[in-house]
Amino acid sequence: GDSVTQMEGPVTLSEEAFLTINCTYTATGYPSLFWYVQYPGEGLQLLLKATKADDKGSNKGFEATYRKETTSFHLEKGSVQVSDSAVYFCAGPSGGGADGLTFGKGTHLIIQP
Amino acid sequence: DSGVTQTPKHLITATGQRVTLRCSPRSGDLSVYWYQQSLDQGLQFLIQYYNGEERAKGNILERFSAQQFPDLHSELNLSSLELGDSALYFCASSVRTSGRGTDTQYFGPGTRLTVL
Repeated sequence: GDSVTQMEGPVTLSEEAFLTINCTYTATGYPSLFWYVQYPGEGLQLLLKATKADDKGSNKGFEATYRKETTSFHLEKGSVQVSDSAVYFCAGPSGGGADGLTFGKGTHLIIQP
Repeated sequence: DSGVTQTPKHLITATGQRVTLRCSPRSGDLSVYWYQQSLDQGLQFLIQYYNGEERAKGNILERFSAQQFPDLHSELNLSSLELGDSALYFCASSVRTSGRGTDTQYFGPGTRLTVL
């Protein structure tokens, strides 16, 4: 079935550092891809999405470009803040005609002041 | 606040018992999804309902079942509980169904189930 692989953390950065969290997917066709963020004790929030090849999703300074050549959807931010500390999940359709999502294992991001 | 509500927030029960988790989707959303988040398995899709009908199944155990009612709220029933069922259970909703996972899903805050 379709699957998502993302780098596992924890990833520890200093405030204002550049962030990249890698995500690759295997799927039939060109599915929509998503980045979700989970803050401590909360549910998942959609951070950004891309619905077709070469589409760029962006939100709150985060960006990810859907690159079909490399089957990647890496998350980037130019200057992270302490408030960005959270767990980030890459996700795509689980396949087989289902709308349910398959998630990567999550990357715990820790930003130090 | 995503607009998706889940009750209860926490649930503690014993092995062999049965519990019911409840979810109310965002206003206007017809699709409801259930996910399980555990340390060893990560986030797993369990099942999807659309407008009262089962739409798709993921990694849902036979001991688990769900339904969506005419008012579109959904319940996840977990029976013959085992220690390994301890997890966070999330409900999500989306406007419709496409069969390609293109719709944005909005997640509730989750129900933390502890089986002792």
